[in-house]
Amino acid sequence: DADVTQTPRNRITKTGKRIMLECSQTKGHDRMYWYRQDPGLGLRLIYYSFDVKDINKGEISDGYSVSRQAQAKFSLSLESAIPNQTALYFCATSDGGMGLASSYNEQFFGPGTRLTVL
Amino acid sequence: GQQLNQSPQSMFIQEGEDVSMNCTSSSIFNTWLWYKQDPGEGPVLLIALYKAGELTSNGRLTAQFGITRKDSFLNISASIPSDVGIYFCAGPSWHYGGSQGNLIFGKGTKLSVKP
Repeated sequence: DADVTQTPRNRITKTGKRIMLECSQTKGHDRMYWYRQDPGLGLRLIYYSFDVKDINKGEISDGYSVSRQAQAKFSLSLESAIPNQTALYFCATSDGGMGLASSYNEQFFGPGTRLTVL
Repeated sequence: GQQLNQSPQSMFIQEGEDVSMNCTSSSIFNTWLWYKQDPGEGPVLLIALYKAGELTSNGRLTAQFGITRKDSFLNISASIPSDVGIYFCAGPSWHYGGSQGNLIFGKGTKLSVKP
């Protein structure tokens, strides 16, 4: 079974709709991240969370919100979707324990959600 | 701000060929990571480098942490069809609070099979 799962894998929605993307992990990691991928632009950080009570904005947080429901669950919401939010969205996790660079730098990604906003 | 520049942006490979790509930055990094993304999948960590000058291998893949700490290189020897995909370099971003380990990514090098 996959360590990091994302649902749904594909979603088509209309402008103005509220959308939630969900991420679950069985790796026992404290840190979770949401990224957006656009062709030719690489991966850009939307939000990140270092534990259940910690939420931080990333590079491109406008138009998005997140919720860390539990250590293993981190959801991303688009309150009112717009067409330029059409992209691939990835959730990732990392350990962060022991203070070792290897634990917090090495991130493990889910399979992604392809979101299309019409 | 911090940026990682990957070169080349894309390349075609023929089975058996060796492949080289690199990643450069105007800032010093203390960690370099190389990921591969297959079509329709999330990135997978290939190699992590933590020391300037370090040379690390993972099968046919070899990555080096540049001595200047501003670059890293990834080589693939004797390429095979399953090597196609997008290769990303990444390093810690200091923009989001110091040593907290958030990453920034290069825009990727896309490997395709030579027609």
